[in-house]
Amino acid sequence: GAGVSQSPSNKVTEKGKDVELRCDPISGHTALYWYRQSLGQGLEFLIYFQGNSAPDKSGLPSDRFSAERTGGSVSTLTIQRTQQEDSAVYLCASSEGPLVGSGGYTFGSGTRLTVV
Amino acid sequence: EDQVTQSPEALRLQEGESSSLNCSYTVSGLRGLFWYRQDPGKGPEFLFTLYSAGEEKEKERLKATLTKKESFLHITAPKPEDSATYLCAVDSGAGSYQLTFGKGTKLSVIP
Repeated sequence: GAGVSQSPSNKVTEKGKDVELRCDPISGHTALYWYRQSLGQGLEFLIYFQGNSAPDKSGLPSDRFSAERTGGSVSTLTIQRTQQEDSAVYLCASSEGPLVGSGGYTFGSGTRLTVV
Repeated sequence: EDQVTQSPEALRLQEGESSSLNCSYTVSGLRGLFWYRQDPGKGPEFLFTLYSAGEEKEKERLKATLTKKESFLHITAPKPEDSATYLCAVDSGAGSYQLTFGKGTKLSVIP
């Protein structure tokens, strides 16, 4: 597609439920990132996928968070047993490869998650 | 630990009133400094990458500059459509090219 597509755009869930957030990156982009943007905070790195390499999961805040990327394309971020502090905008970004020499990431519009 | 501090948090300008936004950073080794623009309800939109002290980049009314400790985003004769939150981020060479972001400066340009 022309840009990074994320779905759903908004999600309201009850505390304790599991949620899945989807990201469809730009075709041909090998690098894919998930970030979280909480109210009044900067973007927080969650996880990075690059081609067929093992993902960098160092930013995941707890073991309730997991992500996968199938076929080097679509990615799904799963949050189990959601808590109110998980409420945030979850942003996905992709790039052609390593950032050095590149024009930075292209971000999607995000999924606004509200845990009630 | 990498740190990025942006100031001011919010800035109101009259249309045509030039100003600058500041991004101070502390990193072990800078691989790149990025500026993004974010409109409400949208993801950040890439503006510039700066790699070394003394480098400057321009795009329309925006000019980004870089020193060893900070970056400035200069806005010349802003228009209402320049209203947005401007984000600064650094790539410190942590391995996975993850960026450390500041909290942003919310710019409002009044007609």
